[in-house]
Amino acid sequence: EVQLVESGGGLVQPGGSLRLSCAASGFTFSSYAMSWVRQAPGKGLEWVSYVSDNSGGTYYADSVRGRFTISRDNSKNTLYLQMNSLRVEDTALYYCAKDWVSGVVDYWGQGTLVTVSS
Amino acid sequence: DIVMTQSPDSLAVSLGERATINCKSSQSLLYNSNNKNYLAWYQQKPGQPPKVLIYWASTRESGVPDRFSGSGSGTDFTLTISSLQAEDVAVYYCQQYYTNPPYTFGQGTKLEIK
Repeated sequence: EVQLVESGGGLVQPGGSLRLSCAASGFTFSSYAMSWVRQAPGKGLEWVSYVSDNSGGTYYADSVRGRFTISRDNSKNTLYLQMNSLRVEDTALYYCAKDWVSGVVDYWGQGTLVTVSS
Repeated sequence: DIVMTQSPDSLAVSLGERATINCKSSQSLLYNSNNKNYLAWYQQKPGQPPKVLIYWASTRESGVPDRFSGSGSGTDFTLTISSLQAEDVAVYYCQQYYTNPPYTFGQGTKLEIK
């Protein structure tokens, strides 16, 4: 059974940093691209960042480029999102997502909540 | 960036009736070399992560009831629920994966029972 379990969310002040993790199991982690997708409270979905299966390609939404860094450790079956210079508008539930078919997500985690507030 | 626009923003349909959600992209999602439209539909129920229903614009994901269907090509797409069931109450999103990531979603359509 595929499982994606996010952790690392919490309350942080504007300008602060957080590191999210996503522990993956039930599939060959190193064979699939992975992404972070966020959802602000009561709002829609926003694709935040993507990393290819071998970390050869990374992409970011304009809203986070230069502040967030996606990475993965295939030996630990874990995906990361380092978030720096956090802003109030980064407040959201952050989902870890497994890429299945060229950008289609077939599995999602339950999400970890990031709240940026003073 | 490709902008995805859904209509309507919300929709109320009687049980057993047809529900139709539209999605328009700011540029074509049809890749000529393989004749595939890079468009997916997701369903998100309250308190849950999204679930993929349709990909390649019209291919139903395994296990998705056949009352769900996707159609369209190029820039205009439709998700149809042929006979609405109570469990279909959710927010529905279209998503393009034509360009390099990050991919983009529509703003969502909230489907309720009338």
